[in-house]
Amino acid sequence: AQSVAQPEDQVNVAEGNPLTVKCTYSVSGNPYLFWYVQYPNRGLQFLLKYITGDNLVKGSYGFEAEFNKSQTSFHLKKPSALVSDSALYFCAACDSWGKLQFGAGTQVVVTP
Amino acid sequence: EAGVAQSPRYKIIEKRQSVAFWCNPISGHATLYWYQQILGQGPKLLIQFQNNGVVDDSQLPKDRFSAERLKGVDSTLKIQPAKLEDSAVYLCASSRDYNTGELFFGEGSRLTVL
Repeated sequence: AQSVAQPEDQVNVAEGNPLTVKCTYSVSGNPYLFWYVQYPNRGLQFLLKYITGDNLVKGSYGFEAEFNKSQTSFHLKKPSALVSDSALYFCAACDSWGKLQFGAGTQVVVTP
Repeated sequence: EAGVAQSPRYKIIEKRQSVAFWCNPISGHATLYWYQQILGQGPKLLIQFQNNGVVDDSQLPKDRFSAERLKGVDSTLKIQPAKLEDSAVYLCASSRDYNTGELFFGEGSRLTVL
């Protein structure tokens, strides 16, 4: 069975500073990993995915994620956070049937 | 391209009543998902359809929840009778196929059970 853990309920960062949202996974076989973002009163939006290849994956809105097989991690990063990045971020893992298992989510608060 | 449409956006009912949610996926998307998102938690998959067949409904409480996707297009999720713990946002999502992992979500239907 696959599982995803997001150890931080909330991350606070000042605008312009780098942002990191942590995720670890437990998946049998090759992991398919994803990040989604949820803005208030909106549905989830796909940010980026890792299937295979380069460990650094680039996605929407300047976000990127680093896959680390030895640490079973897939942390989301942004070099310079914006106030508009304040949202709920979900890490997810996918099995071969497309069943997406989400983490509990991390609230990101970017202050001006 | 039109997104995933869901209705109603909000519903308030009393326990033991019934409720139905409707979802129209993006045109041409073969896979449709219903997720339950309880406040403070990540979305939990209730049921996954591939065209009009069920791929996974292992976490669907079948004594009270039912879902169908007639003709492989739009879908309905029903709860009967509702319990207090069913208060949640019900998210519908679709994807081009079952193995992409790139889901397009609707805005959700928020259910409050009193």
